[in-house]
Amino acid sequence: AQTVTQSQPEMSVQEAETVTLSCTYDTSENNYYLFWYKQPPSRQMILVIRQEAYKQQNATENRFSVNFQKAAKSFSLKISDSQLGDTAMYFCAFRVAGTASKLTFGTGTRLQVTL
Amino acid sequence: DTGVSQDPRHKITKRGQNVTFRCDPISEHNRLYWYRQTLGQGPEFLTYFQNEAQLEKSRLLSDRFSAERPKGSFSTLEIQRTEQGDSAMYLCASSFEGEAFFGQGTRLTVV
Repeated sequence: AQTVTQSQPEMSVQEAETVTLSCTYDTSENNYYLFWYKQPPSRQMILVIRQEAYKQQNATENRFSVNFQKAAKSFSLKISDSQLGDTAMYFCAFRVAGTASKLTFGTGTRLQVTL
Repeated sequence: DTGVSQDPRHKITKRGQNVTFRCDPISEHNRLYWYRQTLGQGPEFLTYFQNEAQLEKSRLLSDRFSAERPKGSFSTLEIQRTEQGDSAMYLCASSFEGEAFFGQGTRLTVV
């Protein structure tokens, strides 16, 4: 079984600053995907960024990038130039590759971007 | 294509009543998932369909829960004899080959 741990229940960052959200996971699988999802208040969950475990290069999507450390089973999300619209719950998630298996989520980090 | 649609958005029911939720996935998506999210927690997997076949069920899905996906299109999730512990957000997601897209969820409150 897989587990995903997010140890930061809440984070705050000022607009235009950079913030890093932490995630660790545990699995015996070798081939898998990791995700960061964003859930704004009262809105649907959307995919922010995705990382394939077999890729050494860290994924980047505009202001969002990850630091994927496979040996340490760590998968942090860095948000650069934070914007007010980044305020949301952020969930780290895991899925075994090669199957249509479900996502396993962490408990989330509530990010507040302030002026 | 308007994304994954869930109905209703909110449902308040008395303990012991039955409730049914509907999910309309993105039209070309053959995979459909139900998750439950309680306050302060991440979503937890309930069940998964590929087309009309229910291929996986979580142990969270007690006998009071049933899900269907007739003809591989929309899906329904029914909870019989609701309990206060069933109060949660019920999320539906669909996918084809890659990432899952989520609906806005149905928030259930059992009073």
